[in-house]
Amino acid sequence: GAVVSQHPSWVICKSGTSVKIECRSLDFQATTMFWYRQFPKKSLMLMATSNEGSKATYEQGVEKDKFLINHASLTLSTLTVTSAHPEDSSFYICSARDSSVWAEQYFGPGTRLTVT
Amino acid sequence: AQKITQTQPGMFVQEKEAVTLDCTYDTSDPSYGLFWYKQPSSGEMIFLIYQGSYDQQNATEGRYSLNFQKARKSANLVISASQLGDSAMYFCAMREGRGGGSNYKLTFGKGTLLTVNP
Repeated sequence: GAVVSQHPSWVICKSGTSVKIECRSLDFQATTMFWYRQFPKKSLMLMATSNEGSKATYEQGVEKDKFLINHASLTLSTLTVTSAHPEDSSFYICSARDSSVWAEQYFGPGTRLTVT
Repeated sequence: AQKITQTQPGMFVQEKEAVTLDCTYDTSDPSYGLFWYKQPSSGEMIFLIYQGSYDQQNATEGRYSLNFQKARKSANLVISASQLGDSAMYFCAMREGRGGGSNYKLTFGKGTLLTVNP
């Protein structure tokens, strides 16, 4: 089956620093990837849609300059949390859609970010 | 208005029994897809089952079946013969439209925490 990886699986950073999270589709091409955020015991909230070769589409209320998304290739999308603050601490999950077939999204294992 | 409503924050079931997790949805788009995902404590989202709005029959995948009642806008998940490993968070989600690019984005419900007792 289709596999999506995320790296790192967890990260601790200090306030004010930036952290990059990678999302890779390992065995398929993904022109579209999605980034979700999940607070403890809460639902997944879509942050943005990442399209290969073009600018990401952000959901209402998500700061574009704070959450930078780059989808540089058909297998890689990155989310950079800039100038991180403790309130950015969360579980970030990406998903990818297989471009070659009428298929649904495949989710990565998630990245737990803690900002101290 | 919420697009996906899961009214059961938590559910308990005895091992080997069946359990139904409720999900209602709201959309004016005639074309949509409904999904159920399982999220164990590890955090990964595991796809369980899918129902398209034009599908005539209820979807089934092993022990999972989706009770799709279009007129009532409900898409309940039925898990038969519950196992201890079924204990997890379960999310109902909807994709509106026929898909394509950002139209493939999902809206999730708040989830139901299922606990299977031995």
